[in-house]
Amino acid sequence: EAQVTQNPRYLITVTGKKLTVTCSQNMNHEYMSWYRQDPGLGLRQIYYSMNVEVTDKGDVPEGYKVSRKEKRNFPLILESPSPNQTSLYFCASNPTGSPEQYFGPGTRLTVT
Amino acid sequence: LAKTTQPISMDSYEGQEVNITCSHNNIATNDYITWYQQFPSQGPRFIIQGYKTKVTNEVASLFIPADRKSSTLSLPRVSLSDTAVYYCLVGGRGGSQGNLIFGKGTKLSVKP
Repeated sequence: EAQVTQNPRYLITVTGKKLTVTCSQNMNHEYMSWYRQDPGLGLRQIYYSMNVEVTDKGDVPEGYKVSRKEKRNFPLILESPSPNQTSLYFCASNPTGSPEQYFGPGTRLTVT
Repeated sequence: LAKTTQPISMDSYEGQEVNITCSHNNIATNDYITWYQQFPSQGPRFIIQGYKTKVTNEVASLFIPADRKSSTLSLPRVSLSDTAVYYCLVGGRGGSQGNLIFGKGTKLSVKP
């Protein structure tokens, strides 16, 4: 089944404790993106990647890192999480030339 | 970056046609207009994309006037299952995912 998977789905952590949210897609898509969703603010893009080893900042990159060592994986790294990073995170992928992004199920992160 | 403005919410009844308008005054020449649908606790799902005039698929139509400063998503004969948040997205064509602006979305409530 073609899909985007994220892990974990739910995470509660404390300020400053490094964490990684994994994202994997099995559709051989070139493009992958990370978004965060907050009440009243809609979806905002954090980082995106056009292919392996090619990444760029989105609208709200501060406090986040990403890497794209393999085509299928695009992990989101929070080196020192803070409470303002409490949010619902979505990973998405799409092939070059297609407007249709496939979204993962989301990761709900709480930083206390 | 092209920002979008949509109504925060809309109400409708089953069987009616619903039109959601999105304003994007600063749209760039190479920007496309894409609409997504999101149900609670799920990732967004692609509905339709267009550049100018009219685009139609099996679920919706997209109307874009000549100046491209706005667009209207038309949902024919809505049902209760169309209750969701609808996002208007302006950005590069197809796989160009850089700096995509989702906006805050329109919450559509369909009543029996």
